[in-house]
This record gives sequence, structure tokens and C-alpha cells, in this order.
Amino acid sequence: IAGITQAPTSQILAAGRRMTLRCTQDMRHNAMYWYRQDLGLGLRLIHYSNTAGTTGKGEVPDGYSVSRANTDDFPLTLASAVPSQTSVYFCASSDSGTSLTNEQFFGPGTRLTVL
Amino acid sequence: GQNIDQPTEMTATEGAIVQINCTYQTSGFNGLFWYQQHAGEAPTFLSYNVLDGLEEKGRFSSFLSRSKGYSYLLLKELQMKDSASYLCAAMDSNYQLIWGAGTKLIIKP
Repeated sequence: IAGITQAPTSQILAAGRRMTLRCTQDMRHNAMYWYRQDLGLGLRLIHYSNTAGTTGKGEVPDGYSVSRANTDDFPLTLASAVPSQTSVYFCASSDSGTSLTNEQFFGPGTRLTVL
Repeated sequence: GQNIDQPTEMTATEGAIVQINCTYQTSGFNGLFWYQQHAGEAPTFLSYNVLDGLEEKGRFSSFLSRSKGYSYLLLKELQMKDSASYLCAAMDSNYQLIWGAGTKLIIKP
């Protein structure tokens, strides 16, 4: 693994189903993030984690949950998917979530369609 | 509230210069980022400014005026591969990035 990976690449999901988007990084970054990107809107932060064992809510957390059991992995779960959660989801990481030079590195994204 | 404004789309000619503007309003300010995103791909980091002034990095330069809540990204000697969306993001007092919707740059031969 080099950098940050996400799985699956794309998914079509029936409304009401549970879905977990996976994200793994091998850069030993402390901070990780989940964003959604919708046409005409900027990236919106769903949840974040500044260090393993801690998580926080972003701008649009409703309907999503995360966990950070270790440094490398940061899965995002949709407990009961709804069509408004159709989006492209990006996972990102940075060396620190509380420093000025918080350059974030992004995974390739997961394109999710909820029908 | 927190807000980032940037033009939706711009068109420029190969070999020319283009300036993409961004204005921001955030709760506290810890710097301004520019990212490039090609269609269907992930954003990639271009620049970071926290002090007023111009930062030059090859063909790309980024400017910041904290007093005006304003930044721009300057791209020189445009190449076809520069066709992409350019995302402006301001870091607020909690070190979270507030993102603009992005400026789609179209380069014509």
C-alpha cells in the first residue's frame, strides 16, 4: 500500500441497507477525515479523527458513524442508507489535525449511489 | 457563518496566464489552501498561505491578503493538463478546512 486507499471504488445500494466504506493509510498520519463531494458544493466534512481512539463530528454527520480503533483504518458506516447519501466519498489523512500545516492527502474516492 | 466564494468556471488559452480568486469568511483563520482536482480523481495539494503575500512554486503562485479575506491562485504558461477544478479551502480556528465549491478551469488550444 502506498498512501491512502479506499474500498469499494463504487457501489450501488438499496435504500435502508447498511454499508461500510473502508479507508486505510500507511503514512502513520495521526488525523483522518471523511468528506462527501456533491456537484456544485464544496467538500463537506462528515467526521474526523485527530488521533487513534478519538473521533469528532463534522459539518454533516447525521446518518453516518465512524470508528478509529488504530492509526491506519478509519471506516465510515451508513446505518440505513437514504437516497440523499448518494455522493462521492473521500477519505483523507494528515500528519496532525491540530497544526497549521495541515496538508491533507486524499484517497481515490468511493462513488456511492443509493436507490 | 463560514463561507468560501470562488467562480464556478473559467476559460483560458494554452500558454496564457489565469488568476482564480477566492474570498473567505471563517471563525478564526489558520491559513488558506489550494488544491487541484482532475475530473474523477482525488484533490491534490498545491499551496498553503498563512502570511500575507505571494508564494511562488514553479508555474503556480498563490497570494493571500488576511485583512481582505482574499486569496488568488495564479497559473502561468498554461498547459492542457492544467484543465481541472481548483479548490480553495480556509482553515478555521479548530484547524478544520472549509471548502469552496471549486473553480472548473477549461484550457483551450
